Amino acid sequence: DIQMTQSPSSLSASVGDRVTITCRASQDISNFLAWFQQKPGKAPKSLIYDASSLQSGVPSKFSGSGSGTDFTLTISSLQPEDFATYYCQQYNTFPWTFGQGTKVEIK
Amino acid sequence: EVQLVESGGGLVQPGRSLRLSCTVSGFSFGDSAMSWFRQAPGKGLEWVGFIRSRAYSGTTEYAASVKGRFTISRDDSRSIAYLQMNSLKAEDTAVYYCTVEIDYWGQGALVTVST
Repeated sequence: DIQMTQSPSSLSASVGDRVTITCRASQDISNFLAWFQQKPGKAPKSLIYDASSLQSGVPSKFSGSGSGTDFTLTISSLQPEDFATYYCQQYNTFPWTFGQGTKVEIK
Repeated sequence: EVQLVESGGGLVQPGRSLRLSCTVSGFSFGDSAMSWFRQAPGKGLEWVGFIRSRAYSGTTEYAASVKGRFTISRDDSRSIAYLQMNSLKAEDTAVYYCTVEIDYWGQGALVTVST
């Protein structure tokens, strides 16, 4: 199975900060990577697919980059509604696998 | 507007069966792959399984943890996907989510396996 490793596991940031989360795959997954945002008690929300394509309706402050094994999710200016847990997921190979999540908290 | 509504969750004893349904509206269901994911209490997300569209033979893939016990099917005429869960174990306790492709998610259905 492909292992997905996110870092950091958690971070504290202030409103207006630029935040970057990284995701590393244990083998080449091309660009078959998605990013999700999840708030407590809610279903995950798709932000990015194919590593860098923004889902319809998702604000442009979210961006994704990378290919192969190393990927990043960037939030350009953190807002109160962005405090949540973020997950990466590879869909290059079954079984699909997730990173362990990055919890973004208010500093 | 795309909507996915899961139903059929609840409390079930170990070893018993349960079937979840996922009703989709606002999307071309028959042309889309469907997936199921789950999230155990306080844990991260886990992929459960996948069913291709009829154009791709409607074949399925499963996580090792559920293979042989869970079955995904679809009724394109009613825009419903199903997750049949047999021989349930305590470790299957989770919120189960269905998705269209991986883009749209339902609100989740809680399945609790306990005596």
